Amino acid sequence: GQNIDQPTEMTATEGAIVQINCTYQTSGFNGLFWYQQHAGEAPTFLSYNVLDGLEEKGRFSSFLSRSKGYSYLLLKELQMKDSASYLCAALSNDYKLSFGAGTTVTVRA
Amino acid sequence: IAGITQAPTSQILAAGRRMTLRCTQDMRHNAMYWYRQDLGLGLRLIHYSNTAGTTGKGEVPDGYSVSRANTDDFPLTLASAVPSQTSVYFCASSHDETGHGYTFGSGTRLTVV
Repeated sequence: GQNIDQPTEMTATEGAIVQINCTYQTSGFNGLFWYQQHAGEAPTFLSYNVLDGLEEKGRFSSFLSRSKGYSYLLLKELQMKDSASYLCAALSNDYKLSFGAGTTVTVRA
Repeated sequence: IAGITQAPTSQILAAGRRMTLRCTQDMRHNAMYWYRQDLGLGLRLIHYSNTAGTTGKGEVPDGYSVSRANTDDFPLTLASAVPSQTSVYFCASSHDETGHGYTFGSGTRLTVV
């Protein structure tokens, strides 16, 4: 089966940096996705990593280490609108996405 | 506007009743998926379809059925609803089974009483 672990909650101050860690175990591996989900809304795509290393996209960056089964999402210069749930998802060999339970990030003024 | 449309937005359903959740996409995506999202459990795959005419079981398929008669539509049917099927249901689609271009619908909040 698939196992995706990420912290349940994180709190940070506006303007700060937060790192959300994710570890995964899947039947084979074809990539790691991060999604953002605001309360009551659908998840929206943030990033995709398939090779080791850091992918930077504006204030958000995502890192992958395939050998460690580990990824993180880095949110810089936090804004109040970044308060949301962040979902880590791994794509297995049969191309099925398995999601973690999500990390709720609360940004305080 | 291209995307995925789900209907209804929300529904309260009596236990034992039959219900079909509708999902339509206009992006010509080959692959479509149904997930349920429950607090603390995240998104779990119910059924999927890699292309029109084919379907497959996901992680939690029991009590649900799907059909894929054409590329655009992927309805999810609960034959006889039970309270444990109270959840938020998301339909999603992607270009193909590799997961790229994954797009979610806005969700259906279903309460079975």
